[in-house]
Amino acid sequence: AQSVTQLGSHVSVSEGALVLLRCNYSSSVPPYLFWYVQYPNQGLQLLLKYTSAATLVKGINGFEAEFKKSETSFHLTKPSAHMSDAAEYFCAVISNSGNTPLVFGKGTRLSVIA
Amino acid sequence: DTEVTQTPKHLVMGMTNKKSLKCEQHMGHRAMYWYKQKAKKPPELMFVYSYEKLSINESVPSRFSPECPNSSLLNLHLHALQPEDSALYLCASSQDRDPEGALYTEAFFGQGTRLTVV
Repeated sequence: AQSVTQLGSHVSVSEGALVLLRCNYSSSVPPYLFWYVQYPNQGLQLLLKYTSAATLVKGINGFEAEFKKSETSFHLTKPSAHMSDAAEYFCAVISNSGNTPLVFGKGTRLSVIA
Repeated sequence: DTEVTQTPKHLVMGMTNKKSLKCEQHMGHRAMYWYKQKAKKPPELMFVYSYEKLSINESVPSRFSPECPNSSLLNLHLHALQPEDSALYLCASSQDRDPEGALYTEAFFGQGTRLTVV
């Protein structure tokens, strides 16, 4: 079964610093990969997705992610953190056959320090 | 319209009550989902409807009963719940197939219903 592993349950950065949230996938065949953000007491919002087109994917709110097959990774980055970026971030996967629904990683809580 | 709307936002119910959660989308999506999310955990899939037919039931207890009256609506009927069922219940939808033929694609989520069982 497809799965993703998020390294670090909690990441803390200073305002204006680089944000790096890590995600590795388990499949030998590149799957579809996604990053979602969840603000407190809200649903999940899609940040960006990789579906075998460009390996560098740009999303909303200044986030981007790079698919690296050699490292089986899909890390999320943002050059400069804002206080409003504090939230829970989930990496998620769908198999490349698309026959199974989204499966989420355990999540990484991002804190931004003023 | 790119929203998935869930009602109610909050629900407190006793263990003998019967209640329903409702979800609506007008994006023309033909797959709809219920997820359950406990505090500090990722969402866990409960049910999937594809073209108004139940396609996935992740061994959910029968006290949770899903219903898909039409392609825009999804309900979750609750009966005789336990306190451990208290959680955020998320509805989501996705288009049926992407251009490459994948059955499941990215899902769009509602704001959730915060359920407390007392």
